[in-house]
This record gives sequence, structure tokens and C-alpha cells, in this order.
Amino acid sequence: DIQMTQSPSSLSASVGDRVTITCRASQSISGYLNWYSQKPGKAPTLLIYAASSLQSEVPARFSGSGSGTDFTLTISSLQPEDFATYYCQQSHTTPRTFGQGTKVEIK
Amino acid sequence: QVQLQESGPGLVKPSETLSLTCTVSGDSIVSYYWSWIRQPAGKGLEWIGRIFTSGSTTYNPSLKSRVTMSVDTSKNQFSLSLSSVTAADTAVYYCARVKPGVYGGLDYWGRGTLVTVSS
Repeated sequence: DIQMTQSPSSLSASVGDRVTITCRASQSISGYLNWYSQKPGKAPTLLIYAASSLQSEVPARFSGSGSGTDFTLTISSLQPEDFATYYCQQSHTTPRTFGQGTKVEIK
Repeated sequence: QVQLQESGPGLVKPSETLSLTCTVSGDSIVSYYWSWIRQPAGKGLEWIGRIFTSGSTTYNPSLKSRVTMSVDTSKNQFSLSLSSVTAADTAVYYCARVKPGVYGGLDYWGRGTLVTVSS
């Protein structure tokens, strides 16, 4: 299985901050990388697919980059509704695998 | 707007079979891949497998010996069975649609249903 490792596991940030989360794959996955956010008690929602493509209706403050094994999710200006846990997922190979999550908390 | 809804027993006894159904509304189930994902309380996401509407399946090898997925296009539903369950199978189970195209991604999710394995 392809292992997905996110860093950091958690972070504290303020509204308006620029936030960056990284995801590393244990082998090359080209651009087959997706990002999700999840709020407590809710299902995950797709933010970014194909490493850098913004899912429909997702605010433009979210962006993704990377290829191969190293990927980044950036929130350009953190909003109150962005406090959540973020997961990366590879869709290069089955079984699909997720990172362990990054919890973004209010400072 | 595509909507998914999981249904099934919330409590299953150890060694028995967990059975869930996902009902899709707002679009036809045909010609898409559909997935099941689970999440134990306070933990991360685990991909269980996927099914195409032709009936073709791919399962997570870690669960493959116990998992069966099926699809009923006439009812716009797909289903999950997980046999010989233990407490380790206690989790919120989600169904989701695989985004059309090469790169995948899960673009529509059900709200999730908690399944507890306990006697």
C-alpha cells in the first residue's frame, strides 16, 4: 500500500493567517492526490482533486500544488469556517489511502 | 444535487455480518464508481473498496476476505456486507461517489452511519 504522511498533525492559527499543510507519499503518485476537509460529526468534503484542481463551489482561498511524492494544501487567508481536519488521499493505486489528518485549530 | 444516504443496523453482534445500503438520489447511479469508507471514532479514514455499476469491484486487501459489495441499478442503490465482524469494525461508515475522470476523488458523500459491534 502507498503510505500517505501529513505534517503537521495539528496546528493553531488565527483568522486571516496563511496556512500550509504538506502530504508526502511513500512512492510517486504523479498528480493523483486529493484533499478533503472534515468538521466534527460531518462527512468529509472534497476541496482539491488532481493535486491542484479546485472542486466546484470551493472558495478560491484554497489551493493545492505538488507532483510525484510531495504535495501542499494552502489556505491563503484562514476563515472561521475553515477550522477543521484536513486529509490528503491518493487515487493512483488501490487500495486508496488517506493521510492521518491535520487538525487546524483556533489560536 | 446528488445525495447519498446510508441505511442499516446500528448495532451488530460479534461474528455476524454488517450490511449497509447506500441510496443515491438526484442522479442515476449508472456509469459511476461508488465507494465505501469507514472511520473509527477519533481516527482517520479507511477506504473499504469500490464498485462500478457493471458490478466490477475492488476491495482493500486488508478486508478483502470479509467484504462484498453489490449494486442494484433499478433501485439506484449499492450495498456493503462485512462478515465476521469484531469490535475493531466499529466505525462510522460512509458511502461516496468517485468523481468522474482520470484522477478520482470522492465528490459526494453520505452523512455516515455509526455501526457498533457489540454483544
